[in-house]
Amino acid sequence: DTGVSQDPRHKITKRGQNVTFRCDPISEHNRLYWYRQTLGQGPEFLTYFQNEAQLEKSRLLSDRFSAERPKGSFSTLEIQRTEQGDSAMYLCASSPQGQGEKLFFGSGTQLSVL
Amino acid sequence: GEDVEQSLFLSVREGDSSVINCTYTDSSSTYLYWYKQEPGAGLQLLTYIFSNMDMKQDQRLTVLLNKKDKHLSLRIADTQTGDSAIYFCAETNSGYALNFGKGTSLLVTP
Repeated sequence: DTGVSQDPRHKITKRGQNVTFRCDPISEHNRLYWYRQTLGQGPEFLTYFQNEAQLEKSRLLSDRFSAERPKGSFSTLEIQRTEQGDSAMYLCASSPQGQGEKLFFGSGTQLSVL
Repeated sequence: GEDVEQSLFLSVREGDSSVINCTYTDSSSTYLYWYKQEPGAGLQLLTYIFSNMDMKQDQRLTVLLNKKDKHLSLRIADTQTGDSAIYFCAETNSGYALNFGKGTSLLVTP
C-alpha cells in the first residue's frame, strides 16, 4: 500500500492554457474522488468514479473540466482554457470496496494560473 | 448547501489535552470525520464515526457526537508538538461528497 499518488505536485500555467493532472489510487480501491481546496478553505467535492464509471459531478465542475478513469485504475483531471479562479490544490482520494466512507487522500496538485 | 463550522485556531501546551469542536447543519448526516492536514500535504484520515454512535476512542483520540445538537468534537490526549496541524471536520450523507469545515489550526507549544 503506497498511498494515493498525484502528479505533478505543482503546476504553473498561463491563463488560457490546458492542464492535465494524474491520480493513481491505492491499488484495488474501486472508488476514486476529485476534490478542490483553496487557501483557507476545506476541500470541496468535484466528482467521483466507481471503477471506470463517473457517477456524480458537482455543479462546481464546469464544462471546462473533464475527468476520466478509463480502465478503472488511474484517473486524469483536465482543465481547459484555465482561468485565474482555477488556482487551487486539486486533491484525489480513493476508497476500498464496500467502505466508500473511508476516503484516503493524496498530497494534491497545486495549480497556479498566472 | 449544508454548513460545517469550526473555530479557526487553538493553542495548547505540550502534554495538555486538546479539544476541537465542530457543528454541522445537515440532520441526515450519516458519517462524520476528522482529518489532519500538515503543511504542503494531503489530508490524513484520523477517525470517523457513524451517526448512530455517540463516542469512539482510538488511542489518544476521542470523538464525541451529540446528534441532537449536531455537535462533534475531537479530543487529543497528551498533545505533542507533532500534533500541530490543521484539523478538518467533515460530514456526509452520501458517502462520497464530504462537506468540510474550514479547518482548525492547532498550535502545540513546548
